[in-house]
Amino acid sequence: NAGVTQTPKFQVLKTGQSMTLQCAQDMNHEYMSWYRQDPGMGLRLIHYSVGAGITDQGEVPNGYNVSRSTTEDFPLRLLSAAPSQTSVYFCASSYGSRRETQYFGPGTRLLVL
Amino acid sequence: GQQLNQSPQSMFIQEGEDVSMNCTSSSIFNTWLWYKQDPGEGPVLLIALYKAGELTSNGRLTAQFGITRKDSFLNISASIPSDVGIYFCAGQIVQGAQKLVFGQGTRLTINP
Repeated sequence: NAGVTQTPKFQVLKTGQSMTLQCAQDMNHEYMSWYRQDPGMGLRLIHYSVGAGITDQGEVPNGYNVSRSTTEDFPLRLLSAAPSQTSVYFCASSYGSRRETQYFGPGTRLLVL
Repeated sequence: GQQLNQSPQSMFIQEGEDVSMNCTSSSIFNTWLWYKQDPGEGPVLLIALYKAGELTSNGRLTAQFGITRKDSFLNISASIPSDVGIYFCAGQIVQGAQKLVFGQGTRLTINP
């Protein structure tokens, strides 16, 4: 199993550009999430999904869209990038059972100029 | 939203020393988790706690779920160089749900 994979590893955008951060998992996990990590602030939840076709907002959803058309994939879209979205983005997945842990991907480092 | 206050923010210790860090919250959590993050990697789960008062060990690591359900601590005994990294606490209000709330992290540096 590859676990949770994220692409790209690093991206530079100009303000106003759009892009999609890809996340895929091959563990048949129902639950998937996106977090952003900023210095001194830990990880903050952006959006999450409890299964294909179901998504919901986390703590910091503004400026981001998600969709979950398959169990394996959970892309994160930035429609119009802003410098405030410069961050490291982590995708995570889990089975969703009561005592299941979340497995994190290696992260995507995004710089918005 | 919920906040977790994690302390200390950073630690500089000698190899072999014991380490202690903690998290406190104004909210009650039903699950406490401790993660470690190495440079350029995603967080990896170290210990999960599901019951108030629970004390759980994983090798040289020991963590406790506070009785009030508003705090947790992590101890590392006899530190070694590979313990270097950032340690995060995280809490879940609803067990099994995806809404993890993270602390700010404790950066551990070890002098050999």
